[in-house]
Amino acid sequence: EAQVTQNPRYLITVTGKKLTVTCSQNMNHEYMSWYRQDPGLGLRQIYYSMNVEVTDKGDVPEGYKVSRKEKRNFPLILESPSPNQTSLYFCASSPGRGRATGELFFGEGSRLTVL
Amino acid sequence: QQQVKQSPQSLIVQKGGISIINCAYENTAFDYFPWYQQFPGKGPALLIAIRPDVSEKKEGRFTISFNKSAKQFSLHIMDSQPGDSATYFCAASMSYRGSTLGRLYFGRGTQLTVWP
Repeated sequence: EAQVTQNPRYLITVTGKKLTVTCSQNMNHEYMSWYRQDPGLGLRQIYYSMNVEVTDKGDVPEGYKVSRKEKRNFPLILESPSPNQTSLYFCASSPGRGRATGELFFGEGSRLTVL
Repeated sequence: QQQVKQSPQSLIVQKGGISIINCAYENTAFDYFPWYQQFPGKGPALLIAIRPDVSEKKEGRFTISFNKSAKQFSLHIMDSQPGDSATYFCAASMSYRGSTLGRLYFGRGTQLTVWP
């Protein structure tokens, strides 16, 4: 089944404790991206990646890191989480370069709470 | 600075009615305008998308109307059904490095409720 898988789905952590949210897609997509969703603010792009070893900042990259060492994986790293990073996070992928469609395929989301 | 402005924030429509959600943008470099639908507890899913070389695109009960000169686009849901109750997001992107997607900007969302 074609899908984008995020882990963990739910996480409660404390300020300053490094964490990683993993994202994996099995559709051989070139493009991957991370979003955070907050009430009243919609979806805001954190980082995106056009292909392996190519990453770019989105709207709200502060406090986050990403890496794209393999095509299928795009982990989101919070080096020192703070309460303002409490949010619902979505990973998404898309076919990418040369494709007519820009359809994004989203994961199920990861709800993160930072105390 | 909000790149895509969406209204209304919430919308209540009776079954069988027409739901209309509006979006506006400023950056004329945008060349791809998708709409996403999100049900509670799920990730968003693409509903319909349009490029600025056409003024309207229809897929079943869903239609995008695009006004390039006004820099506005809207989603019309005809014969709205209770199953359409969800949050709808408009978005805008510009081609980047040969791909349709680069930076993708979403509106803040519209929560649609369709009463039976």
